Amino acid sequence: KAGVTQTPRYLIKTRGQQVTLSCSPISGHRSVSWYQQTPGQGLQFLFEYFSETQRNKGNFPGRFSGRQFSNSRSEMNVSTLELGDSALYLCATRGQLNTEAFFGQGTRLTVV
Amino acid sequence: TQLLEQSPQFLSIQEGENLTVYCNSSSVFSSLQWYRQEPGEGPVLLVTVVTGGEVKKLKRLTFQFGDARKDSSLHITAAQPGDTGLYLCAVDSGTYKYIFGTGTRLKVLA
Repeated sequence: KAGVTQTPRYLIKTRGQQVTLSCSPISGHRSVSWYQQTPGQGLQFLFEYFSETQRNKGNFPGRFSGRQFSNSRSEMNVSTLELGDSALYLCATRGQLNTEAFFGQGTRLTVV
Repeated sequence: TQLLEQSPQFLSIQEGENLTVYCNSSSVFSSLQWYRQEPGEGPVLLVTVVTGGEVKKLKRLTFQFGDARKDSSLHITAAQPGDTGLYLCAVDSGTYKYIFGTGTRLKVLA
């Protein structure tokens, strides 16, 4: 069974640009969450989607947005990039009856 | 707000030594997960503990859930360089998100 797939793995963007990251969940998993990981802040929750609906959102500015498609794949978008957005962005998926989250390898975003 | 405090924050030991990492909170949890993360990769699930007092073993790793389900420990016997990584405990907040511990960064020297 394939794991969680995140694309791209690495990304370099310039301040002010926008970026879209993608996450394909484990087959059958309908819950997709996004986290930002930085050395200083650890793992910070961005948002969670289930059946194309956002069920929870973390304390991030409106520049961070996401969506989920009918096949459970999810994307997150960051507009007007800032240097501080440089981080490892992680996607995690869960099955309906499962409390365990399974992570992708992450997308390393560097903003210059 | 649920907080998970992990200790120690950093640990550097020689190959073959034993170590214990702790995850503590003032809240009670129905279950708790431990993850290991290597640099530039996503966290990998090691174990889930559910019952108070439960002990689970994964090769040289022993995980214990506190009797009151507020804390957990991870003990590694005869650490190897391959154990190097960031160890994270995590709990389901009940509001569709996970809360992660502050992490323990382990380095095992050959």
